[in-house]
Amino acid sequence: GQQVMQIPQYQHVQEGEDFTTYCNSSTTLSNIQWYKQRPGGHPVFLIQLVKSGEVKKQKRLTFQFGEAKKNSSLHITATQTTDVGTYFCAGYTGGGNKLTFGTGTQLKVEL
Amino acid sequence: DAGVIQSPRHEVTEMGQEVTLRCKPISGHNSLFWYRQTMMRGLELLIYFNNNVPIDDSGMPEDRFSAKMPNASFSTLKIQPSEPRDSAVYFCASRYSGSGFNEQFFGPGTRLTVL
Repeated sequence: GQQVMQIPQYQHVQEGEDFTTYCNSSTTLSNIQWYKQRPGGHPVFLIQLVKSGEVKKQKRLTFQFGEAKKNSSLHITATQTTDVGTYFCAGYTGGGNKLTFGTGTQLKVEL
Repeated sequence: DAGVIQSPRHEVTEMGQEVTLRCKPISGHNSLFWYRQTMMRGLELLIYFNNNVPIDDSGMPEDRFSAKMPNASFSTLKIQPSEPRDSAVYFCASRYSGSGFNEQFFGPGTRLTVL
């Protein structure tokens, strides 16, 4: 079945440092979504990428979708304590309704 | 809109007991998903419904788990009998299928502890 892996599993950074998480799928994705889950909370949608090679920005967050539509990345510039949480990528294959979530990257930001 | 509503928020039960988790999706959404989250296995899709019909239940761990969606505004996930390894956070999510935008909205989750 489809597998979506993320690296790293955990990341500790000092406030102000940059952070990147990478997402790799075993199959080609029709689109990819990113979610953020705060400690004790539920996943919340951040963004969706659809086109091969697409890049989107949300303030300090930059999202990329790979040319082959099998990988993606999320980069946070100058992390803040509010960025703490687990970041999940999630992808659809074909025209299906099933979203496969990645393994997640837990980000901790220290002052 | 109140968002996706789940109840109870916390459930503590003893092994062998029946557990029923409830979900009310966002009004107008026609797809509903049940997920389970654990440290070991991450976020797993258990089952999803489209227009109240179960489409894919391949993630349901075993026959002890069952899910229903009798109407567009209510779904249940039942575990009978419950076992300690069922302890997890169970999320319900909904979305509107039919447009190109496929964002899922998650409920706050039910934290289940089976002793």
